Amino acid sequence: SQKIEQNSEALNIQEGKTATLTCNYTNYSPAYLQWYRQDPGRGPVFLLLIRENEKEKRKERLKVTFDTTLKQSLFHITASQPADSATYLCALETGNAGKSTFGDGTTLTVKP
Amino acid sequence: EAGVAQSPRYKIIEKRQSVAFWCNPISGHATLYWYQQILGQGPKLLIQFQNNGVVDDSQLPKDRFSAERLKGVDSTLKIQPAKLEDSAVYLCASKGSSYEQYFGPGTRLTVT
Repeated sequence: SQKIEQNSEALNIQEGKTATLTCNYTNYSPAYLQWYRQDPGRGPVFLLLIRENEKEKRKERLKVTFDTTLKQSLFHITASQPADSATYLCALETGNAGKSTFGDGTTLTVKP
Repeated sequence: EAGVAQSPRYKIIEKRQSVAFWCNPISGHATLYWYQQILGQGPKLLIQFQNNGVVDDSQLPKDRFSAERLKGVDSTLKIQPAKLEDSAVYLCASKGSSYEQYFGPGTRLTVT
């Protein structure tokens, strides 16, 4: 069956360190993978997209890698700040219809 | 540009009652999604519209849930009758020509 797994429900790191979040999937052939940020009581907000033929994408302090052989994406936040504390969701989109499937998210807490 | 609007923001009903949620997507966005997000989980797709046609409703419990998108703009999601397990946040999202989905703030439903 199809499955998306994001690493441990919670990740705690110290301010200034790099946070690395993992998204693993099975039995999917995604056209692309997206990362979203969700704050309590709010809807998810799009951060980055990476296509199946891309290895890496960067945006300011964010970096995403995509390994279709390992069926894994890594999401990095460098020089993390307390304001980066949130839940981060990965989403796979497959097929021409653009159906998205979300993981359950990883809650990141950055401590000052 | 104005974001995705949803109402109401909160709703408390008793089981077996009915409820309706409303979504106004970003102007010009052809694709509209309804998601159910249970506490601690990622958004689960209920239904996807392309203009006013249904693209995917495979995970919509059709015996109690219904959705429509009249004139390819606003959309309503209805639950009748509600069950305790329907307690969740219902998120609406829209997508235009880019890949990213824009989410509304969600409606938090509590069924007692």
